[in-house]
Amino acid sequence: AQKITQTQPGMFVQEKEAVTLDCTYDTSDPSYGLFWYKQPSSGEMIFLIYQGSYDQQNATEGRYSLNFQKARKSANLVISASQLGDSAMYFCAMSADTGRRALTFGSGTRLQVQP
Amino acid sequence: DVKVTQSSRYLVKRTGEKVFLECVQDMDHENMFWYRQDPGLGLRLIYFSYDVKMKEKGDIPEGYSVSREKKERFSLILESASTNQTSMYLCASSTPRTGYSTDTQYFGPGTRLTVL
Repeated sequence: AQKITQTQPGMFVQEKEAVTLDCTYDTSDPSYGLFWYKQPSSGEMIFLIYQGSYDQQNATEGRYSLNFQKARKSANLVISASQLGDSAMYFCAMSADTGRRALTFGSGTRLQVQP
Repeated sequence: DVKVTQSSRYLVKRTGEKVFLECVQDMDHENMFWYRQDPGLGLRLIYFSYDVKMKEKGDIPEGYSVSREKKERFSLILESASTNQTSMYLCASSTPRTGYSTDTQYFGPGTRLTVL
């Protein structure tokens, strides 16, 4: 079984500052992927970034980077230079590379960017 | 760009009605998924499908069924809607990757269903 834990229900950050959203996971699968999604108030889930469990380097996508620490089973999302449009719910998720490929989600973190 | 569409953004139905939620993807993805999202619970998997006419139960299939007659379309059916099925329903699709990589799921805009 897989489990994702996001311990920050809400976060505030000033515009242009960096922010880290925490995510820890638990799985018995030897090979898996970790994802972050953004959900604005409109409701759509937007894919942000992916990290494979065998990837040696941390993933980056523009202003998003994933701080992957396999031994600690953590996959924190770092958003640099926050913008007002970053205000949204953020979900950490994972799936195994074999078998059922559905995502297991955390409960989410609501990020509010303040001007 | 991947495009996943859902038939309705908002839907209001009465208890006992049969409800159809439609999802269409235009990227020839093999895998399709239905999730429901409730405050504080994140997203939970209802059903998924790896291919046409194939379906598998997710974590909360009770009260739901699905249909996949064509590769691009995956329908969620509430046989007899109940008030506890009031929720946000999200459809997603993905395609298998090779090697050790994992599929990325792409989501539709969601359907907010209210059952009165």
